[in-house]
Amino acid sequence: EDKVVQSPLSLVVHEGDTVTLNCSYEVTNFRSLLWYKQEKKAPTFLFMLTSSGIEKKSGRLSSILDKKELFSILNITATQTGDSAIYLCAVMASGGSNYKLTFGKGTLLTVNP
Amino acid sequence: DAEITQSPRHKITETGRQVTLACHQTWNHNNMFWYRQDLGHGLRLIHYSYGVHDTNKGEVSDGYSVSRSNTEDLPLTLESAASSQTSVYFCASSKWTGLYGYTFGSGTRLTVV
Repeated sequence: EDKVVQSPLSLVVHEGDTVTLNCSYEVTNFRSLLWYKQEKKAPTFLFMLTSSGIEKKSGRLSSILDKKELFSILNITATQTGDSAIYLCAVMASGGSNYKLTFGKGTLLTVNP
Repeated sequence: DAEITQSPRHKITETGRQVTLACHQTWNHNNMFWYRQDLGHGLRLIHYSYGVHDTNKGEVSDGYSVSRSNTEDLPLTLESAASSQTSVYFCASSKWTGLYGYTFGSGTRLTVV
């Protein structure tokens, strides 16, 4: 059975801190790893990673994938209170001609002013 | 603009009642999914569909059913609601290949009393 494990489950930091969120996985027929941010409503897409060692960046957020060690990290620099959210890691695996997403439990990030 | 909508946004029902949650997407996506989200469990897959008349069970399918009679809709039915089914339910859709991740609806908060 496909498994995605995120750590830590929760994290409290002060504005301006840098945080690193972790995601490890065990899946059959890996295709890609995705990061989502969830505030009050639906998860919103952040990054999709398919190749090892290539960093994806968007402003203060960046992410990288290691397909040999089966993990990914999400970095947030100079955190702001607006970064407070649940960050979800998900792995896309193929099954036959179709694909399915398996989610980790998420990391609850709280950024205090 | 294309979108995915869930209704109702909030629902309170009594134990033993049948409840149907609606999901409608105008992306023309083949793949549709239902997840429930609970504290400490993250997003767990209930049922999914890869096309019209196709339905599959996810990891927590007991007590739930779906049907796919057209591309746009995947209603989720709770046959006999139980308090353990109190949760936030998210519908999602993706392209045939799923390679670009999922688009999520805004969620339905269901309370079973």
